[in-house]
Amino acid sequence: NAGVMQNPRHLVRRRGQEARLRCSPMKGHSHVYWYRQLPEEGLKFMVYLQKENIIDESGMPKERFSAEFPKEGPSILRIQQVVRGDSAAYFCASSQDSNTEAFFGQGTRLTVV
Amino acid sequence: RKEVEQDPGPFNVPEGATVAFNCTYSNSASQSFFWYRQDCRKEPKLLMSVYSSGNEDGRFTAQLNRASQYISLLIRDSKLSDSATYLCVVPDSGNTPLVFGKGTRLSVIA
Repeated sequence: NAGVMQNPRHLVRRRGQEARLRCSPMKGHSHVYWYRQLPEEGLKFMVYLQKENIIDESGMPKERFSAEFPKEGPSILRIQQVVRGDSAAYFCASSQDSNTEAFFGQGTRLTVV
Repeated sequence: RKEVEQDPGPFNVPEGATVAFNCTYSNSASQSFFWYRQDCRKEPKLLMSVYSSGNEDGRFTAQLNRASQYISLLIRDSKLSDSATYLCVVPDSGNTPLVFGKGTRLSVIA
């Protein structure tokens, strides 16, 4: 049973470009969470999705950031017109339901130059 | 949003020591609790799940105090490899996400 898969592991973008981060949850998991982590800081919740639905996006910036979890395929976190402050590690986690253990992917490290 | 509070540390302990961390939570309806471990520049990994009063796995013991609304993690006979940040997670009810504490940093020193 493959774990949570995130890709790419490392992503470099120039200011103004778009970044697309992908997350394939564990088999049988329909709940996906995205977190952002800056160096030496804690995990900051961004968005919580179930298949085809955004349940809670209260942690996501109102502009430039969007997320989806389509019926088929991975969850996508999209950052448009990236700025240097978007540089961070972005972790995805998945769970079977909202009260069970979540398992994390290895993260995508985004660097904006 | 319901909050989870942890002592950030750092806790610097010698090898072989026993160390305990607490995590307080505000949602009295929470039924399950998790401890994760995160190494530098790595993803968090599930360490222990707590569904009732507590759980024990080798040198690690997690205990739940519902009356005071905190969970604790006890590490006995600390090893150098235990050095990491320990994150407490309290799933909220309803349509809210997993809430992470900011973590407690542990350094085990030779």
